[in-house]
Amino acid sequence: DTVLTQSPALAVSLGQRVTISCRASKSVSTYMHWYQQKSGQQPKLLIYSASNLESGVPSRFSGSGSGTDFTLTIDPVEADDIANYYCQQSNELPLTFGSGTKLEIK
Amino acid sequence: QVTLKESGPGILQPSQTLSLTCTFSGFSLSTYGMGVGWIRQPSGKGLEWLANIWWDDDKYYNPSLKNRLTISKDTSNNQAFLKITNVDTADTATYYCARMAGYGGYWGQGVMVTVSS
Repeated sequence: DTVLTQSPALAVSLGQRVTISCRASKSVSTYMHWYQQKSGQQPKLLIYSASNLESGVPSRFSGSGSGTDFTLTIDPVEADDIANYYCQQSNELPLTFGSGTKLEIK
Repeated sequence: QVTLKESGPGILQPSQTLSLTCTFSGFSLSTYGMGVGWIRQPSGKGLEWLANIWWDDDKYYNPSLKNRLTISKDTSNNQAFLKITNVDTADTATYYCARMAGYGGYWGQGVMVTVSS
């Protein structure tokens, strides 16, 4: 299985830029996707195929990377961005998710 | 407008079979390239992909659940189903269905399932 590693938590000040990283245990090309999950809600797709912004998602969100290293950037961070963020690969089965990064406000 | 909604028993006992239904609208599982997946999330924990079914009835399962999973669909009624046999307390989670073609563009709100004696 492809293991995806994320930092457990990040603290950022409102208005600042934050990058959330996801490292894959093997290359996934650009088959990496990012989700936001707010408390008590279902995950919401933000970025697909590493760098493509899902329709309706604010342009404050962006994604980059290929191979094994990926980042989700939020710039600037707003209060509404407080959530857990998950990466997910679809390069091979089984589909796998990272353990999530909790974004907190300083 | 794409919507999905999961339904399930709420609570069941160990060793029973969990049957989940995903009722969706706004797309058809008979359309080329369409797929529906099931994902679960224990309370306070991460996401685990369970299975996918495609428009052509191809099915894929997470090997970690071995042979306990069965996914199926009813195209005419816009539904997808998941059965998990021989459940255990470790299967307690919120279960989501999502329109998945590699990634989940649309998710249901999830259904909580508790396995308890």
